[in-house]
Amino acid sequence: TAGITQAPTSQILAAGRSMTLRCTQDMRHNAMYWYRQDLGLGLRLIHYSNTAGTTGKGEVPDGYSVSRANTDDFPLTLASAVPSQTSVYFCASSAPRLTEAFFGQGTRLTVV
Amino acid sequence: AQTVTQSQPEMSVQEAETVTLSCTYDTSESDYYLFWYKQPPSRQMILVIRQEAYKQQNATENRFSVNFQKAAKSFSLKISDSQLGDAAMYFCAYLNNAGNMLTFGGGTRLMVKP
Repeated sequence: TAGITQAPTSQILAAGRSMTLRCTQDMRHNAMYWYRQDLGLGLRLIHYSNTAGTTGKGEVPDGYSVSRANTDDFPLTLASAVPSQTSVYFCASSAPRLTEAFFGQGTRLTVV
Repeated sequence: AQTVTQSQPEMSVQEAETVTLSCTYDTSESDYYLFWYKQPPSRQMILVIRQEAYKQQNATENRFSVNFQKAAKSFSLKISDSQLGDAAMYFCAYLNNAGNMLTFGGGTRLMVKP
């Protein structure tokens, strides 16, 4: 079925290590987003991309980087993980005049 | 930049009763889209209801309805005949007209008492 696939679904990562969270969509949406959701809180925007080849910083971009080499993929990289990056990460996509924005199932990341 | 505010961190409702969740937003656009998403413990994001700003009529989906006040920039969600399965986090979200900026409120945790 069409949608967004995130990988991995969960991960335990040692502090100081790097990691890339993967996000792939098959709906050809131009806009994609990465959010983090901390326990009991809302979704905060980390980075976004309006179209392939462009990216922008959201509310909490420090410690994260993204790339958008093509329309379908929007990976999120933590260069050197810290415990404060323990969170659930959601990838999402949208397009003009959509009935809804689409979400991946989330990645639970624990940095120890 | 758009902002979305949910002023109620937690709400509680008795089963079969009605509850209203509040949401306000700030924007300079005239056309945009507003959503309510439900997030159960499974953490899946589920679309509850959608409203296009150019439509004056309030959206309704079964037991869920909205009160969209464009001039006041208010977008509340009313849940009628609350059910135990309605217990979840609810997020209000704004999507700009270009469809490339999606902003969320902080969420409201809804508890349903049997």
